[in-house]
Order: sequence, then C-alpha cells, then structure tokens
Amino acid sequence: EADIYQTPRYLVIGTGKKITLECSQTMGHDKMYWYQQDPGMELHLIHYSYGVNSTEKGDLSSESTVSRIRTEHFPLTLESARPSHTSQYLCASSESKEIVGRDTQYFGPGTRLTVL
Amino acid sequence: SQQGEEDPQALSIQEGENATMNCSYKTSINNLQWYRQNSGRGLVHLILIRSNEREKHSGRLRVTLDTSKKSSSLLITASRAADTASYFCATDARTGGGADGLTFGKGTHLIIQP
Repeated sequence: EADIYQTPRYLVIGTGKKITLECSQTMGHDKMYWYQQDPGMELHLIHYSYGVNSTEKGDLSSESTVSRIRTEHFPLTLESARPSHTSQYLCASSESKEIVGRDTQYFGPGTRLTVL
Repeated sequence: SQQGEEDPQALSIQEGENATMNCSYKTSINNLQWYRQNSGRGLVHLILIRSNEREKHSGRLRVTLDTSKKSSSLLITASRAADTASYFCATDARTGGGADGLTFGKGTHLIIQP
C-alpha cells in the first residue's frame, strides 16, 4: 500500500460551495499530481507540481486550483462547485528515479465528488 | 486522440484461465507502465517496461513491448477472482504541451468468473 492519503473519500455538495480536496503523502516525493476520472473512463491530468511552490496545469483544463506549500501536502480547491465538476479526483506522487521517461506513480484512493 | 488505447475494452474469463490485454500508442516513448484499478479506488502500479526492453515478468504478470508496432501486452496467468479490476496502460509521451505526468488509456475491464 502506498503512503498517500486523500480526504474526503466521498463528498456530496450543493452548487456554488467552495470545496478543498486534501492529498498528503509521507514518502517525501517531490512530484505530485491530480487526475480527474469519470466512471469507466481514462484519467486526465489536471495539475502537477515539481516540489514546494511549484504548480503547473495539466492536459485537461480545470477550474480548480492547487497549492504546494509543503512537500507532503497538495490540496485542490474549487471556489464555486458546479454539477459539471462531478467526477472522481485522484492524487498521485512520484520520486525521480527514472533517468528518462516517467517514474512510477503512487495513487491515493481518490475522492468521489458529486455536485448537486 | 488517446495516446494509449487498451484492447479489448472488456474481458470476462473463467478463473484459472489466462487473460491478455493489449495497449497501442501513437508517439515514441521512454517507458510504458501498467496499472490496476479496483472499482472506485486509486490505481496500483503493476510494472514498468523501458523502451529498450522487450519483455518483463513480475509474478503472474508478463508484459511485452514492441516499439516498432507501438504496442504492449499484459498477460495475467492463472487468473483469480481477485484479479477482477480495470487495467490501464500509461505512457510518458505527451500528445501536446509540456505537461508532466502520465497519459492513460481508457482501460480494459477484466472480470474473472469464479
């Protein structure tokens, strides 16, 4: 089991609410990622970070924002949730071991968000 | 379009049989990874194969990579009910932009009948 945690696991919330999805890892990894996944579909990268104070947008445009104040913590925030944000959000981290190419990523259990 | 595409989309076999899943990709890669996802859970890394490797084993898993055909296969031997999950291939090539992270296919949904 990877030492990466996400809270809450499930969240049902009304339109217009501000929400923060938490992600923490205790492996000391520099790189962290947020993916969005609709049921039965592929994962899409929405945010990533190379380390403290680094945040980058991924392939899929997202209205969410992220911050990386501490190595172990990479929260994702939606200022005003909408039904179109309903999805599963997966956090991951990786260490820089591969000389070329991507490293193995360790995933949290995910947060399933439903916006009514 | 997807960088990695798994085939078949869904597969149902009897326990004890072998399961084979395929993945095709479009651009050159440095490595390719396979992940498993149980329903409603996060992904678990299974195996990484580098572009200069042709085959790799891990327990009941066997992965092959053919860079000339831009394809990979995952074989699970002597399947068990606990192998029921979705299996994703992921590559490091980006189809556009400079984003880090992996590019995933839509997955193969594997069901093992007891």
